[in-house]
Amino acid sequence: AQRVTQPEKLLSVFKGAPVELKCNYSYSGSPELFWYVQYSRQRLQLLLRHISRESIKGFTADLNKGETSFHLKKPFAQEEDSAMYYCALSSNLFFGTGTRLTVIP
Amino acid sequence: NAGVTQTPKFQVLKTGQSMTLQCAQDMNHEYMSWYRQDPGMGLRLIHYSVGAGITDQGEVPNGYNVSRSTTEDFPLRLLSAAPSQTSVYFCASSYADRRYEQYFGPGTRLTVT
Repeated sequence: AQRVTQPEKLLSVFKGAPVELKCNYSYSGSPELFWYVQYSRQRLQLLLRHISRESIKGFTADLNKGETSFHLKKPFAQEEDSAMYYCALSSNLFFGTGTRLTVIP
Repeated sequence: NAGVTQTPKFQVLKTGQSMTLQCAQDMNHEYMSWYRQDPGMGLRLIHYSVGAGITDQGEVPNGYNVSRSTTEDFPLRLLSAAPSQTSVYFCASSYADRRYEQYFGPGTRLTVT
């Protein structure tokens, strides 16, 4: 069975501090993993996917198959990063429960 | 381009009533899907379609019907609304070979009393 776990419902960090949003998955097979973000009053949108190994808005995420994790990281949080973040698994987008990130000025 | 549009934005139903949530996209996307979003549950896939005339069930299909007669439209029907269907409903679309990159609509907030 496929499962995505985001253990933190809420996460608050100060501006300029590092941020890490945790995502663990369970999947039998080769997983595809993604991060989606929903800013206030905006639509849910794709932030990044593991296969591209790119940095978007300063965020990166590395797939760790040994730990079955796909944590989202940014070295220096900005106020505009405050949003709801969802980790998603496979092309059918099996979503986690989301983490609301608040960056404190 | 309007992208993905959903109507209505808000709806209140009584238990047992039926209604259709509308979804349309103007991006010529083959793939369309419906999700519901509940507090603490994230987004759960209800139904999806890989093209006109083809639909399939997602994770939580019970109580919902869909059809896909055109590429552009993918309505979601509640035949007999129940309080457990109170939720925010999102429609999304994408190209078939980029299903991971879905474009979401603004959502419909449904309350069943």
